[in-house]
Amino acid sequence: DAKTTQPPSMDCAEGRAANLPCNHSTISGNEYVYWYRQIHSQGPQYIIHGLKNNETNEMASLIITEDRKSSTLILPHATLRDTAVYYCIARYGNKLVFGAGTILRVKS
Amino acid sequence: GAVVSQHPSRVICKSGTSVKIECRSLDFQATTMFWYRQFPKQSLMLMATSNEGSKATYEQGVEKDKFLINHASLTLSTLTVTSAHPEDSSFYICSARGPGDYGYTFGSGTRLTVV
Repeated sequence: DAKTTQPPSMDCAEGRAANLPCNHSTISGNEYVYWYRQIHSQGPQYIIHGLKNNETNEMASLIITEDRKSSTLILPHATLRDTAVYYCIARYGNKLVFGAGTILRVKS
Repeated sequence: GAVVSQHPSRVICKSGTSVKIECRSLDFQATTMFWYRQFPKQSLMLMATSNEGSKATYEQGVEKDKFLINHASLTLSTLTVTSAHPEDSSFYICSARGPGDYGYTFGSGTRLTVV
């Protein structure tokens, strides 16, 4: 499984876009990139996933570089409720193996 | 959307007893279920993968005789922590994946405290 690297923590002002980077330089051609978030003492919540193309849904956008070695999760208008740990995961086969994640703190 | 129900949400048990945690996919058939554990301020650690009707595959270092996993139907998987000890106290989370390119849906987790 490809390893992902994320900054340990980030701050974002409420109402601003939150851009969370993820490095997955060893990703192989058939490994999807998944993003989940976890609010304290809850199960992870699915945000978005993609393979090659950029993706957008009602929660976020996922920008994947052309070489697929990195990606950025964008929360367009962060709110206080977006404060959570965000996990970037490269899936290979059937398993999601979590890394350390990024603690995002949205501040008013 | 896909929903996974996990019960109980919290359980306290005495050292030496066994505890069963249930994970149900409510609106889809889960061909594969996963069990994770999470210690405070740490990430989720995958314990095992189970496919309906077959034996679970455990990750390296996870004791299969201690953490019994049963996936008897396409909507139910159970994790039994046998002869629990205080060091087994943790947050246990299940995840289910349906057929096709479904996402992975997680349960809300079970906080196990062994006293």
